[in-house]
Amino acid sequence: QVQLQESGPGLVKPSETLSLTCTVSGGSISSYYWSWIRQPAGKGLEWIGRIYTSGSTNYNPSLKSRVTMSVDTSKNQFSLKLSSVTAADTAVYYCARVVVVAATPVMDVWGQGTTVTVSS
Amino acid sequence: SYVLTQPPSVSVAPGQTARITCGGNNIGSKSVHWYQQKPGQAPVLVVYDDSDRPSGIPERFSGSNSGNTATLTISRVEAGDEADYYCQVWDSSSDQGVFGGGTKLTVL
Repeated sequence: QVQLQESGPGLVKPSETLSLTCTVSGGSISSYYWSWIRQPAGKGLEWIGRIYTSGSTNYNPSLKSRVTMSVDTSKNQFSLKLSSVTAADTAVYYCARVVVVAATPVMDVWGQGTTVTVSS
Repeated sequence: SYVLTQPPSVSVAPGQTARITCGGNNIGSKSVHWYQQKPGQAPVLVVYDDSDRPSGIPERFSGSNSGNTATLTISRVEAGDEADYYCQVWDSSSDQGVFGGGTKLTVL
């Protein structure tokens, strides 16, 4: 079955760029949307955005000016970049596969999550 | 943007039925998904498209959606059902995913 694994630095300095990669195993990355979601400690889930394997993207309007997603089908990976980070960006970051059911996207497979702390 | 409202907490005794609501403007016209998150773990999809269950999810988990409220119902609650539950929809007007604030289910 498909498995997702997030990777990237666990510590990022304020004002720098957070970069994470999600590696897809057990299946092809092609022909799906892929999402990033984050969760500050003790708080709820926040949808960051999604990318299709063609490169088409949708971003959370509140983060849109700082978010870039990309996909590398040759490596079965997709990535997240979040620029100009502050302490408010400290969170567990999840990647997830998106399937379309009844014309609506649903996140059916999730990675285990990776903790990113923004601190100098 | 579209807002989903969940009660912060719901408590239920073992063997009883838990109902977790998710409120939104005309949410009955949208497809609602529910995720279970246990402490220290990633969310798991338990109900999608209002009332369908992924394979491996017990029949005790069911969902409904009408008007301004969607409901996740957990029958014959077990201690292992204690978790945070999140509803989620796709807001087509702004092309973004939206989560409710989450509900902590406590099994007494």
